[in-house]
Amino acid sequence: QSALTQPASVSGSPGQSITISCTGTSGDFGTFRYVSWYQQHPGKAPKLLIYDVTKRPSGVSNRFSGSKSGYTASLTISGLQAEDEADYYCSSYTITDTDVVFGGGTKLTVL
Amino acid sequence: QVRLQESGPGLVKPSETLSLNCTVSGDSISGYYWSWIRQPPGKSLEWIGYIYYSGGTNYGPSLERRVTISLDTSKNQFSLSIQSVTAADTAVYFCARHLLPQNYYYGMDVWGQGTTVTVSS
Repeated sequence: QSALTQPASVSGSPGQSITISCTGTSGDFGTFRYVSWYQQHPGKAPKLLIYDVTKRPSGVSNRFSGSKSGYTASLTISGLQAEDEADYYCSSYTITDTDVVFGGGTKLTVL
Repeated sequence: QVRLQESGPGLVKPSETLSLNCTVSGDSISGYYWSWIRQPPGKSLEWIGYIYYSGGTNYGPSLERRVTISLDTSKNQFSLSIQSVTAADTAVYFCARHLLPQNYYYGMDVWGQGTTVTVSS
């Protein structure tokens, strides 16, 4: 099962903006229409931040935003805060649009 | 407020069957897709499979020959079974609900806290 490719780590200072990329390949990910993003703090369950590429579930801060170009999706966090330090995972579906796939995860460090 | 709680043995012997339950409280299991996801120590998330409230299932290719997901609507509960486990199945196991009714595309918005399962003799 092919994974989505994410950078292993990113960092930024409080108040700055950062972007995390998530890349799939056309052969593996069909339409790549349904991209979600999760935040996971150590020892905790993942939290859904973004679904359907750009949408935020109720209660998620508007500092989190999603976008996509071709087979690369991106999560942008603006106005970085210390509490944003966590692991971030993208997710989509395989070419048949039936199987869920996660990215390898990106560790965000707030300097 | 919907809550999910995983339960089951924390230690399983190699070659035996891993069995976990996920109890849903605060809402009915009806109308949604429900997934199991696992995370080996220090690694990424791995989707295991999902079940629809009507009983239809779909499993990821890495485990599909060893895994069964089932549900019990009378108990508002769904379950995971993985046969012939090895040390590679050691992980934190999460259950989760997909965001929108009748649809599995839009991510998972409600998660259990996770339960650690170690495979060791």
